Amino acid sequence: EAGVVQSPRYKIIEKKQPVAFWCNPISGHNTLYWYLQNLGQGPELLIRYENEEAVDDSQLPKDRFSAERLKGVDSTLKIQPAELGDSAVYLCASSASKGGGLGNTQYFGPGTRLTVL
Amino acid sequence: QKEVEQDPGPLSVPEGAIVSLNCTYSNSAFQYFMWYRQYSRKGPELLMYTYSSGNKEDGRFTAQVDKSSKYISLFIRDSQPSDSATYLCAMSTGNQFYFGTGTSLTVIP
Repeated sequence: EAGVVQSPRYKIIEKKQPVAFWCNPISGHNTLYWYLQNLGQGPELLIRYENEEAVDDSQLPKDRFSAERLKGVDSTLKIQPAELGDSAVYLCASSASKGGGLGNTQYFGPGTRLTVL
Repeated sequence: QKEVEQDPGPLSVPEGAIVSLNCTYSNSAFQYFMWYRQYSRKGPELLMYTYSSGNKEDGRFTAQVDKSSKYISLFIRDSQPSDSATYLCAMSTGNQFYFGTGTSLTVIP
């Protein structure tokens, strides 16, 4: 079974430029998460999708960040314009279901390492 | 106060040592407790999953949950150089997930 796929793995851009990250979750997983991880920190949730609906985007800086999951499968996270402080690893994760139990265990992709110059 | 507190280390131990990693939490609504292992430049991978208080063993790894003290632990027996990674605790109410900051572990051959 293929895991969570993310691309690109690395991205270097100049500040004020736009950038987009793509994620394809594990087949059949309804729940998709985008996290931000700074060096030496745990993942911090940006947005959670149940199918195509964003059910928790309270931590997403909506002035510059946007996300979509149009068909309830793969997802794109965008930053426009990027700032120096956005340099981090952006992780995508998916789980089979929300609610309790091992079914909502999250499986992570390798992440996209963003460097903003 | 953070929802989950984890000592960031770093922790350095000789090969074969027993390693103890710990997290504390404040939210009594947490029901599911997980440990993830994250190698450098990789995403976190699930190592252990427990529900409610008690112990769970899987090979060299033992996860322990004490809900009365709001404290969870991961023990690694006979530690190996391949165990060198960052270990993240994570907790869930069933809807909300929270991660610790991670503890960096190095096992020296």
